[in-house]
Amino acid sequence: DGGITQSPKYLFRKEGQNVTLSCEQNLNHDAMYWYRQDPGQGLRLIYYSQIVNDFQKGDIAEGYSVSREKKESFPLTVTSAQKNPTAFYLCASSATGQGGLDEQYFGPGTRLTVT
Amino acid sequence: SQQGEEDPQALSIQEGENATMNCSYKTSINNLQWYRQNSGRGLVHLILIRSNEREKHSGRLRVTLDTSKKSSSLLITASRAADTASYFCATADDSGAGSYQLTFGKGTKLSVIP
Repeated sequence: DGGITQSPKYLFRKEGQNVTLSCEQNLNHDAMYWYRQDPGQGLRLIYYSQIVNDFQKGDIAEGYSVSREKKESFPLTVTSAQKNPTAFYLCASSATGQGGLDEQYFGPGTRLTVT
Repeated sequence: SQQGEEDPQALSIQEGENATMNCSYKTSINNLQWYRQNSGRGLVHLILIRSNEREKHSGRLRVTLDTSKKSSSLLITASRAADTASYFCATADDSGAGSYQLTFGKGTKLSVIP
């Protein structure tokens, strides 16, 4: 089956700990994205990558880091510098590097709770 | 920054009725997309309409785009209980920078009562 997988579905961490969220796609898409969704809100872009070994900050990159060493994988690290990390995190991909021109395919999300 | 704004924030209808959701945006766009999100799940792409298109259909979905008013509407005809979800519009700015990104609204929560 082609698609995007995110793991784990639920993640609990203590304040002050870094945590890495996994995102893998087998759609052979060039571009990948990380969004954050808070209750009753839309999606806000954290980071995006248009091509392997390259990524750019989105609207709310502070306190987050990413890597794109393989086309299939785009892990997101939520660092202790992120002041309010509890949220629903969504990974997406699109066929071309110009993400807004294509539809985006989303993973099932990871719900992160930091206490 | 959030560009698209959906209206209404919540909508409750009976099964079989039509549901209309609206989206307004602020800047020039390349395209506008609609997505559906079931509770606690990822988003699913429904339809993409480009700035030079006025109307698009997909099954029971009809999307219109009025670039002069900077607005779009999503019509779901003959609604079903399975249509219960949140619906988001997302716009791709026509920034000319070559890396158009999607900006999402806050969504309309649709409840279809059996």
